[in-house]
Amino acid sequence: DQQVKQNSPSLSVQEGRISILNCDYTNSMFDYFLWYKKYPAEGPTFLISISSIKDKNEDGRFTVFLNKSAKHLSLHIVPSQPGDSAVYFCAASASGKLIFGTGTRLQVFP
Amino acid sequence: DTGVSQDPRHKITKRGQNVTFRCDPISEHNRLYWYRQTLGQGPEFLTYFQNEAQLEKSRLLSDRFSAERPKGSFSTLEIQRTEQGDSAMYLCASSLEINEQFFGPGTRLTVL
Repeated sequence: DQQVKQNSPSLSVQEGRISILNCDYTNSMFDYFLWYKKYPAEGPTFLISISSIKDKNEDGRFTVFLNKSAKHLSLHIVPSQPGDSAVYFCAASASGKLIFGTGTRLQVFP
Repeated sequence: DTGVSQDPRHKITKRGQNVTFRCDPISEHNRLYWYRQTLGQGPEFLTYFQNEAQLEKSRLLSDRFSAERPKGSFSTLEIQRTEQGDSAMYLCASSLEINEQFFGPGTRLTVL
């Protein structure tokens, strides 16, 4: 039972363009959502988060949007840079423990 | 560096052996979490501590797994009688707030 889903396993974007990564969830009890970035052989690095009482949170080049009625969130990266190439995980919080999606591999090419 | 640290980074063991991993959280963080990640999957929750109290354990944590956080600082995760299916990346995270968790580099376990 996959409560958090990232349906696109990979995404390829040109440098300078916008990257949009999507995530869907099924449990309406989730009250906090996070995005993590992961390089090979390293632990996930926290990027940005959003509370369920908000619909948008922005931090520099990263913006997370939450659509509670659709149980959908997205991460926008603009402009995309080659250093953004990594695997991105969305996660949802239920009483503190995180439930992760399966990740989307983003490749930003010159 | 004041981030989460884990030791060892890599462990190769033979099936049936016991292994123990250590996690040192960010110093002021009172919550500590263990996750497991296998290839192609996101991290899966195993257990978490608030200070020294173990508050929740996943059904993934069989009776061969035990975790401790004796003084509310570092934590250990022990796997007894390892099986090939235990091969994975074991991740530790810590947090001060209930939601934003900061991860260590992980311990990669290979069971032969």
